[in-house]
Amino acid sequence: DAKTTQPPSMDCAEGRAANLPCNHSTISGNEYVYWYRQIHSQGPQYIIHGLKNNETNEMASLIITEDRKSSTLILPHATLRDTAVYYCIVRIDTGGFKTIFGAGTRLFVKA
Amino acid sequence: GAVVSQHPSWVICKSGTSVKIECRSLDFQATTMFWYRQFPKQSLMLMATSNEGSKATYEQGVEKDKFLINHASLTLSTLTVTSAHPEDSSFYICSARSGTAYNEQFFGPGTRLTVL
Repeated sequence: DAKTTQPPSMDCAEGRAANLPCNHSTISGNEYVYWYRQIHSQGPQYIIHGLKNNETNEMASLIITEDRKSSTLILPHATLRDTAVYYCIVRIDTGGFKTIFGAGTRLFVKA
Repeated sequence: GAVVSQHPSWVICKSGTSVKIECRSLDFQATTMFWYRQFPKQSLMLMATSNEGSKATYEQGVEKDKFLINHASLTLSTLTVTSAHPEDSSFYICSARSGTAYNEQFFGPGTRLTVL
């Protein structure tokens, strides 16, 4: 699986949009971009995933650049409960895939 | 989404004892289950992958005789930490993949193991 690069930490004011970047310059054509988050002492939670088109769901939006070498996870109105470690992962979606976690970005949402 | 449970949520044991952690998929059949370990302030590290009815495949550096994994049914996998020592103290997280929604992977809440 391709490696990803994320900033180690970010701050965001409550109510503002949180934009979390991820670089995945070696992504292959059949690899998807997945985002998970982990709130302290809990298991990871799926947020969103995409291949090349931008995606949106009730939790977040995912913007993938045209060359697919980077992406941005957007939490439109961050709340204190969004404070967590956010993991950007690239992986295939078929066969014997494994989800390998990098270091992630620790997002602090401040009041 | 699908639910994965783990039991116990936390356990404290003496050095030298063995500890079993259960992982269950509550509302789907999990053809593949994964076990991760997470030390404080570190990321999740994949330990092994198991397919129902088959032997687990361990990641490099993970001792298979130390961490016994059994995936005997489509809804249950167990991880046994044998002869646990303080350095095995960690947060253990299981994950399951459905046989039907093949690209989705669901995570359990984790089990905190403390070895005294």
